[in-house]
Amino acid sequence: KQEVTQIPAALSVPEGENLVLNCSFTDSAIYNLQWFRQDPGKGLTSLLLIQSSQREQTSGRLNASLDKSSGRSTLYIAASQPGDSATYLCAANDMRFGAGTRLTVKP
Amino acid sequence: ETGVTQSPTHLIKTRGQQVTLRCSSQSGHNTVSWYQQALGQGPQFIFQYYREEENGRGNFPPRFSGLQFPNYSSELNVNALELDDSALYLCASSFVGREAFFGQGTRLTVV
Repeated sequence: KQEVTQIPAALSVPEGENLVLNCSFTDSAIYNLQWFRQDPGKGLTSLLLIQSSQREQTSGRLNASLDKSSGRSTLYIAASQPGDSATYLCAANDMRFGAGTRLTVKP
Repeated sequence: ETGVTQSPTHLIKTRGQQVTLRCSSQSGHNTVSWYQQALGQGPQFIFQYYREEENGRGNFPPRFSGLQFPNYSSELNVNALELDDSALYLCASSFVGREAFFGQGTRLTVV
């Protein structure tokens, strides 16, 4: 059974800082891993999808990597902005979510 | 705007009642998944439908049931509502194994 863990549970950084969010999964037999953003009380917005054959994906200031052998994915956010404040979630195979990392970027 | 729409946006029901939530998937997508999200937690997978057949189910009791229609829209039905069923219910559409797109959710409150 796939278990997904996200560390840290919450993170507060000053504006402009680069940061890394972590996602660990127990079953390396995944076919994709997807990162999402969720604003309070809202649905999820897809950020990046990494297929199992890929090692990373980039979109603007975001970069996500995938290491199946170690069961880890990281989301790197460059030059953080207050508008990045949200909860970030990762999901393996569309079905198993972590509990998320709540990010606050202070002006 | 993901093209995935859910209705209603908010709903209040009494314990023991039944509820139906609806999801219209993005055009061309043949897979829809449903999730329950309690406050402060990540979404919990309820089930997935692929071409009108159930294609996986999470750890939810049989009183949670679903349907997918030929146009790939979907319903989530919950019978005998309990207070703990109060949550945000999310649906996502995709091609199986590809990027999933979520609706804005239905906030269900059971009193």
